[in-house]
Amino acid sequence: GQNIDQPTEMTATEGAIVQINCTYQTSGFNGLFWYQQHAGEAPTFLSYNVLDGLEEKGRFSSFLSRSKGYSYLLLKELQMKDSASYLCAVMDSNYQLIWGAGTKLIIKP
Amino acid sequence: ETGVTQTPRHLVMGMTNKKSLKCEQHLGHNAMYWYKQSAKKPLELMFVYSLEERVENNSVPSRFSPECPNSSHLFLHLHTLQPEDSALYLCASSQEAQSGANVLTFGAGSRLTVL
Repeated sequence: GQNIDQPTEMTATEGAIVQINCTYQTSGFNGLFWYQQHAGEAPTFLSYNVLDGLEEKGRFSSFLSRSKGYSYLLLKELQMKDSASYLCAVMDSNYQLIWGAGTKLIIKP
Repeated sequence: ETGVTQTPRHLVMGMTNKKSLKCEQHLGHNAMYWYKQSAKKPLELMFVYSLEERVENNSVPSRFSPECPNSSHLFLHLHTLQPEDSALYLCASSQEAQSGANVLTFGAGSRLTVL
């Protein structure tokens, strides 16, 4: 079967750096997505990786290793507003999105 | 308005009621989706429409009935629901239904409680 694993919950301190991991086992691969979802709000797109390596967008970076079935989302200079759930999703060979259960990130002052 | 708008935001219904969820997108997208989001579970894809044609129906019980009258509007009709159907129902849209960098734009969801 197809599976996405990510930690259920993480805690970090304001101003610090946190890395949220995502491992996947899917039938084929057509890209990996990260979405951010604040409580009670819509998930919003953060990043898309289809080739190996690091993609940087301001304070957020996303890394992909296709051979290892592994990605991470790196958040730097954490702010209180970064408290949210982070959803990892992989598009398989049929262009179906397979979702992880999400990682709830709690930022403490 | 821009983006994806869902109404109502909250809905409480009994098991014998009939209600509908509405979704509207103003992005000019060709594909629209219904997802179910339950606590600590992955998003579950329910239905996909591409250019108003249903292209995906993931073994969803018939008590959920989608309708897509045009490319901007999507409905989810609900009848004789069960308590386990209580969840957040998310609508999303994207430029195309099946493509690589297929970024979804989500609505804020309709929180459904079935008593």
